[in-house]
Amino acid sequence: QVQLQESGPGLVRPSETLSLTCTVSGGSISSSYWSWIRQPPVNGLDWIGFIYYSGSTNYNPSLKSRVTISVDTSKNQFSLKLTSVTAADAAVYYCARVAIKFGGLTYGMDVWGQGTTVTVSS
Amino acid sequence: QSALTQPASVSGSPGQSITISCTGTSSDVGGYNYVSWYQQHPGKAPKLMIYEVSDRPSGVSNRFSGSKSGNTASLTISGLQPEDEASYFCSSYTSSSTLVFGGGTKLTVL
Repeated sequence: QVQLQESGPGLVRPSETLSLTCTVSGGSISSSYWSWIRQPPVNGLDWIGFIYYSGSTNYNPSLKSRVTISVDTSKNQFSLKLTSVTAADAAVYYCARVAIKFGGLTYGMDVWGQGTTVTVSS
Repeated sequence: QSALTQPASVSGSPGQSITISCTGTSSDVGGYNYVSWYQQHPGKAPKLMIYEVSDRPSGVSNRFSGSKSGNTASLTISGLQPEDEASYFCSSYTSSSTLVFGGGTKLTVL
């Protein structure tokens, strides 16, 4: 079955760029839409954005000016870049697959990575 | 986009039923049948329990059910079990082609 694994630095300095990669195994990245979600220490879940294997994206309006999600079909990976980070960007970052039913998106996320903790500190 | 509104906490005894609400607007919950519910145990990734308002993924117990009325969606858990104690989050597709989550509800099984 499809599994997702996040990877990237666990520590990012303020004002720098957070970069994470999600590797898809057990299936093709061309099969669905893929998403990044984060969870700050105290608050709930925060949707960051979607990407399709074609490169089409949708972003959370509150993060849109700082976020880029990209896909590398040759490596079965998709990536997140978040620029100009601050302490407010410290969170557990998850990648997830958007579930498909009868060929259409359900907008529910049925496969998640284990999450990776990102700390923002100098 | 504003987060969907969920109660901070709910509780129930084993065997009882509880319902968690998720209130949005006509631009999200009320406008689309793309409401999902997730269960999250501490230190674990969220797990999809309900999608498209009321559908259950394969393997999810039929004790979990979803519904929607107007701008409010609901998750009902019947026959509460100790392992249901977790946080629950709703999400909805929006008119901006984005997703929005609720703030989460902590379920305590007494």
